[in-house]
Amino acid sequence: GQNIDQPTEMTATEGAIVQINCTYQTSGFNGLFWYQQHAGEAPTFLSYNVLDGLEEKGRFSSFLSRSKGYSYLLLKELQMKDSASYLCAVRGERQEFYFGSGTKLNVKP
Amino acid sequence: KAGVTQTPRYLIKTRGQQVTLSCSPISGHRSVSWYQQTPGQGLQFLFEYFSETQRNKGNFPGRFSGRQFSNSRSEMNVSTLELGDSALYLCASSFGREGLREQFFGPGTRLTVL
Repeated sequence: GQNIDQPTEMTATEGAIVQINCTYQTSGFNGLFWYQQHAGEAPTFLSYNVLDGLEEKGRFSSFLSRSKGYSYLLLKELQMKDSASYLCAVRGERQEFYFGSGTKLNVKP
Repeated sequence: KAGVTQTPRYLIKTRGQQVTLSCSPISGHRSVSWYQQTPGQGLQFLFEYFSETQRNKGNFPGRFSGRQFSNSRSEMNVSTLELGDSALYLCASSFGREGLREQFFGPGTRLTVL
């Protein structure tokens, strides 16, 4: 079966840095994606990793280690608007997507 | 470029009824995937259609079915509705070809089963 794990909830302070981890076990791998979902809204794409290493995109960075089945999303200079759920998703061997349950990030002043 | 659209946005049904949801992908996208999102289970994959063919299927009962038309628009049908089917149903479109990136999500259809 497919298994994607991420913490349920995290809290961080405005201006700080937070790291959201994701571990996965899937039958195939064609990339790992991070999505942001604000309450009541659809998920929006944040980042994509298919090779090992760090991908940086402004205040957001994502890291992948395929041998460890591990990824993290790093958010720097946190802003109140970053309060949202962050979803880790793996694309499998048949191009299908498997999502984790999401990590709810609370940013406090 | 118009985004993914889903209709209706909200729907209330009673147990035993059936429902059809519609999704129009971004122009040029040939893959449409459907997901069920509930607070307890997160985003769960229902199925994916690519060029009018079901390419992938998740672990949902046969009451959940779908189809895709030649213009890539897709419909999802749920028959004999159960209370547990109450959820946000999201569709996502992508080019669908290997090596290409993300899916783009529609706003979802909020289904309530009474």
